[in-house]
Amino acid sequence: AQTVTQSQPEMSVQEAETVTLSCTYDTSENNYYLFWYKQPPSRQMILVIRQEAYKQQNATENRFSVNFQKAAKSFSLKISDSQLGDTAMYFCAFVNRITSYGGATNKLIFGTGTLLAVQP
Amino acid sequence: EPEVTQTPSHQVTQMGQEVILRCVPISNHLYFYWYRQILGQKVEFLVSFYNNEISEKSEIFDDQFSVERPDGSNFTLKIRSTKLEDSAMYFCASSNPWDLSYEQYFGPGTRLTVT
Repeated sequence: AQTVTQSQPEMSVQEAETVTLSCTYDTSENNYYLFWYKQPPSRQMILVIRQEAYKQQNATENRFSVNFQKAAKSFSLKISDSQLGDTAMYFCAFVNRITSYGGATNKLIFGTGTLLAVQP
Repeated sequence: EPEVTQTPSHQVTQMGQEVILRCVPISNHLYFYWYRQILGQKVEFLVSFYNNEISEKSEIFDDQFSVERPDGSNFTLKIRSTKLEDSAMYFCASSNPWDLSYEQYFGPGTRLTVT
């Protein structure tokens, strides 16, 4: 079975500091995508960053970057220069690159989330 | 920027009642999904829908649940006889068949409270 594990239920960081959220996953597939979603108190799911498994280069989006270690099945999120608005629940998620007719079965598998609090 | 919308934002219902949660996916998307998040827990896949039929469903999606695309824009989730444990946030998502990143765009969610 494919699973996503986030071992840190809660994290805290000072404003302007850097924090890393960890995520590991388990799959026997070779082609897949990994995502980090942010869920602020409004509970809207917001995509933060994505990584394609066949790309060696780690994805970056402004202050957000990932450390993707395919062999170790690890996908951590680094937030630099943390801001108060980064306070949210962060979910790591995984989807297979389905080879069927178009990907309608591309269900996202989520981890249990890490609650990040940015302190002023 | 196009977005997925969901109505209502909050629904309160009594146990045993039927509810219909509504979603309007992004207009050129062809794949639609429902996810559920019980308070304080992770987001769980319920069902995916393509070409007017269910393409995959989870074990949570039992006979009490159904989905429908009644017209060209709406995508609905019906729970026939709600139970207390159906109380959760329900998210609709959609994706574009030409988006090779497989990104799913989420709506803001409907909070369902069963009393």
